[in-house]
Amino acid sequence: AQTVTQSQPEMSVQEAETVTLSCTYDTSESDYYLFWYKQPPSRQMILVIRQEAYKQQNATENRFSVNFQKAAKSFSLKISDSQLGDAAMYFCAYAGVDSGYALNFGKGTSLLVTP
Amino acid sequence: GAVVSQHPSWVICKSGTSVKIECRSLDFQATTMFWYRQFPKQSLMLMATSNEGSKATYEQGVEKDKFLINHASLTLSTLTVTSAHPEDSSFYICSARDGGQGATGELFFGEGSRLTVL
Repeated sequence: AQTVTQSQPEMSVQEAETVTLSCTYDTSESDYYLFWYKQPPSRQMILVIRQEAYKQQNATENRFSVNFQKAAKSFSLKISDSQLGDAAMYFCAYAGVDSGYALNFGKGTSLLVTP
Repeated sequence: GAVVSQHPSWVICKSGTSVKIECRSLDFQATTMFWYRQFPKQSLMLMATSNEGSKATYEQGVEKDKFLINHASLTLSTLTVTSAHPEDSSFYICSARDGGQGATGELFFGEGSRLTVL
């Protein structure tokens, strides 16, 4: 079974600064996808960014970018120019063919953004 | 983006009763839906995968007779918590995949349903 590990239960960043959230995963599959989801207090899951394992180029979505290190099985999320609205729980997730591409989530990192 | 609607958003029931939660894809056909459970301040745990027209596949440790999942149409899946007990109190979230996007298509999440069993 695949495991997703987020080693930072909580992180704090000052507004306009940059923060990096860590995620590692364990798998024997070659075809898989990695995701970062944001869950604000409303608890609605919001897709932040998605990375296909076969792509070497790191995915980027505006202020959000990932550092995908396939050999190291690492998938960190960088949030640039942090905004108050970025405060939320962030979940790293894995989806592979063995599980029918169901999302397997890490334990999450709570991000606090201070003015 | 595509919309997935869950109903009810919050339900309170007495111990021993059954509760049904609906998950609807409003503007696409969802061949596959997933049901998750989330305890306070914890992650989402996959309960089961439901494919339209077939029996759901449950994750290890999830009682299929306790959590009945029906996916009878391409736009509706239901989760019924039977004989609910206080330990079943949790936040239940569904997600759906657009069948037209293939097996790796984006998953769209419902708003979640908070179940409180007294």
